[in-house]
Amino acid sequence: GENVEQHPSTLSVQEGDSAVIKCTYSDSASNYFPWYKQELGKGPQLIIDIRSNVGEKKDQRIAVTLNKTAKHFSLHITETQPEDSAVYFCAASNPKGFKTIFGAGTRLFVKA
Amino acid sequence: EAQVTQNPRYLITVTGKKLTVTCSQNMNHEYMSWYRQDPGLGLRQIYYSMNVEVTDKGDVPEGYKVSRKEKRNFPLILESPSPNQTSLYFCASSSRTSGSVNTGELFFGEGSRLTVL
Repeated sequence: GENVEQHPSTLSVQEGDSAVIKCTYSDSASNYFPWYKQELGKGPQLIIDIRSNVGEKKDQRIAVTLNKTAKHFSLHITETQPEDSAVYFCAASNPKGFKTIFGAGTRLFVKA
Repeated sequence: EAQVTQNPRYLITVTGKKLTVTCSQNMNHEYMSWYRQDPGLGLRQIYYSMNVEVTDKGDVPEGYKVSRKEKRNFPLILESPSPNQTSLYFCASSSRTSGSVNTGELFFGEGSRLTVL
């Protein structure tokens, strides 16, 4: 069945460094790839998304890249700050159905 | 304020005792969905609804029921809870419609932590 693999499961970086989270999807028909951030005790919140007709998208310190051939997409956070500490989920969905398949999540720690 | 509200936020119950987790959204969204979050497994979809009286199974529907009698409400029903349903549950809504079924931001509630003894 459809699957999204996410790595690493835990990531620890120093404040100011960059963080990269990688995801791979199995369904080649997937065309929408959102990223969600979950802070402690809260529900996930969309931080950026990308559609399959675009290779890269940036929003201030965060960017997402998509490689459709490899079925691979990544989240890049530059100049990390302590408030970036959270769990991040990648996801993929295809236009044939109503499901969004989530990765297992990455817990990011940013050390001050 | 636009929001998705779930209740209860925390619940401890015993095996077999029926319970309902309520979900309400004030954004007039047609699409609503339930997820469970378990360590190492991410968010898995239980059921979703494209509109009033239109519901369908997600990836892990066993042991759950839903109903969508009104646009704003989408309760999750556990008829006979079992310990393997101990989890963190999230309700979400979205403005996605039948014309763009898979895109559009999901707005999540704050979660309901359920423990079944």
